[in-house]
Amino acid sequence: DAKTTQPNSMESNEEEPVHLPCNHSTISGTDYIHWYRQLPSQGPEYVIHGLTSNVNNRMASLAIAEDRKSSTLILHRATLRDAAVYYCILRVYGQNFVFGPGTRLSVLP
Amino acid sequence: DTEVTQTPKHLVMGMTNKKSLKCEQHMGHRAMYWYKQKAKKPPELMFVYSYEKLSINESVPSRFSPECPNSSLLNLHLHALQPEDSALYLCASSQDLAPGTSTGELFFGEGSRLTVL
Repeated sequence: DAKTTQPNSMESNEEEPVHLPCNHSTISGTDYIHWYRQLPSQGPEYVIHGLTSNVNNRMASLAIAEDRKSSTLILHRATLRDAAVYYCILRVYGQNFVFGPGTRLSVLP
Repeated sequence: DTEVTQTPKHLVMGMTNKKSLKCEQHMGHRAMYWYKQKAKKPPELMFVYSYEKLSINESVPSRFSPECPNSSLLNLHLHALQPEDSALYLCASSQDLAPGTSTGELFFGEGSRLTVL
């Protein structure tokens, strides 16, 4: 299974930007980079995904390194509701969708 | 409708009971998944159905029996469970352009919290 590594936890202040890193050095050319988050007592929620180019949507931005061995999820202005576990996952064509331990984000008021 | 609906939200059962968890989606997705999540751990994949056929079974004990009656429904039948099977059971779905080719985003339900006494 394709592997990603993320910091166990991060902290941010409310209304400041948050940069959540993810390393995926074994990525291959057809693997998509997905980000999900899981708020307390809820199922995981899709955040964003990309292949090679940076991506933006209403929730976040995804910055992908030129060599694709790492990526960063950017929350432009953290709110208390963004406190969650964020999972970076390699979506390998035709294979299992496997979650790693994720990063627990705390947002301080 | 972009929802995955799971029932029941909570279930308590004894080790000799037989119960079922249900999952439903109406997004036209042809891949459906069961995950198990223990407290403070990431979800672990159990089963994947693609086009109503079981495509992945992650060596799950036979006391868990999945069923996909049609493209919108996914069941997980439970029998003779152990207390260590207590967990949050998550259902998800995704678009499959062809069997086994899913690369799109997963849509998750809120889960069924199971307690085995």
